Amino acid sequence: GQQLNQSPQSMFIQEGEDVSMNCTSSSIFNTWLWYKQEPGEGPVLLIALYKAGELTSNGRLTAQFGITRKDSFLNISASIPSDVGIYFCAGSVPSTGKLIFGQGTTLQVKP
Amino acid sequence: KAGVTQTPRYLIKTRGQQVTLSCSPISGHRSVSWYQQTPGQGLQFLFEYFSETQRNKGNFPGRFSGRQFSNSRSEMNVSTLELGDSALYLCASSWRGLAGSYEQYFGPGTRLTVT
Repeated sequence: GQQLNQSPQSMFIQEGEDVSMNCTSSSIFNTWLWYKQEPGEGPVLLIALYKAGELTSNGRLTAQFGITRKDSFLNISASIPSDVGIYFCAGSVPSTGKLIFGQGTTLQVKP
Repeated sequence: KAGVTQTPRYLIKTRGQQVTLSCSPISGHRSVSWYQQTPGQGLQFLFEYFSETQRNKGNFPGRFSGRQFSNSRSEMNVSTLELGDSALYLCASSWRGLAGSYEQYFGPGTRLTVT
């Protein structure tokens, strides 16, 4: 079945640094979504991407839908302590619309 | 607009019992999906309901079932609970027409502990 490989698994960075994470797959997806989850809460949608090559920003966050439709990346610029959490990518399977999630990237920011 | 709500937030059950979890989607959303989240397996898709019909199903045993009501509210049921069913159960809603948005919005989850 479809799988998403998300990397890195975890990151520990200094406040102010930029962060980059990505998801790759051997399968094609027609939508890529990026979520952030904080302890005790459900994932919160950050960015949605619908077209191959699409580059979308949401404040300090920027995400891109890969040209091959098999990958996506998320960048966070000038990280701050409240960026701490687990970031998930999710791809929508073309035939069913079912979402497949990556394993998550745990981000820790040192003030 | 109110977000997705799930009840209860926390639940402790004993092996062999059954449990029912409830989810109220965002107003106007007709699709409700359920996920199981565990530290080892991440977010695993259980099933999706749209207009009271199950539209997609994940790879979970038949002990896991769900349903959706005419007002789009959904419930999931787990029978004969096992220790491995301890997890955070997340519900997500979306406005998902035939070819429309796949953006899913999650509730806070129900933390189920099986002892």
